Amino acid sequence: AQKVTQAQTEISVVEKEDVTLDCVYETRDTTYYLFWYKQPPSGELVFLIRRNSFDEQNEISGRYSWNFQKSTSSFNFTITASQVVDSAVYFCALSEGETSGSRLTFGEGTQLTVNP
Amino acid sequence: EAGVAQSPRYKIIEKRQSVAFWCNPISGHATLYWYQQILGQGPKLLIQFQNNGVVDDSQLPKDRFSAERLKGVDSTLKIQPAKLEDSAVYLCASSPQGTSGSEQYFGPGTRLTVT
Repeated sequence: AQKVTQAQTEISVVEKEDVTLDCVYETRDTTYYLFWYKQPPSGELVFLIRRNSFDEQNEISGRYSWNFQKSTSSFNFTITASQVVDSAVYFCALSEGETSGSRLTFGEGTQLTVNP
Repeated sequence: EAGVAQSPRYKIIEKRQSVAFWCNPISGHATLYWYQQILGQGPKLLIQFQNNGVVDDSQLPKDRFSAERLKGVDSTLKIQPAKLEDSAVYLCASSPQGTSGSEQYFGPGTRLTVT
């Protein structure tokens, strides 16, 4: 069965620090997709990125970057030069391609607090 | 483009009462999802519709929860009777297609408190 683990429950940093959020997943499928979502205090989940299991290229988008490593079943998210507006709960999620359709299995989330 | 709409935003009821939530997905999106998010946890899928048919309701507590998507557009989720452990945020999401890897667009959620 699919599972997503976000071991860091809470992280607190000072503005401009770099921070990495860890995500480890379990799946038996060879085709799957990994996601990161941001949930600000307003509550709405905001899509950040999607990666499929055949594309291990790292991705950078502005201050955000993602490191996907199939060998360690990890999909970590780094925010460079963090800002107060980055404060939110971040969720890693998995969608298996062969067994469970488009259902997203979420991790427990990491609460990131960026202090000024 | 309008996002996913949900109402009400907040609801407080007593245990054993019934409650209903409404969701209007993004126009043209064939797939609609209902997730339950208990405080401090990640969302958990309750039910997935493809147009007006149910694709996945394996995690829906069918003895008390029901959902429908008439005409393949709006959807309602009902709880009857509610229990204390149903206190959570109920999130609706939609997607253009229901295929694996499809991006899901989430609404603001309905926060339910059962006392």
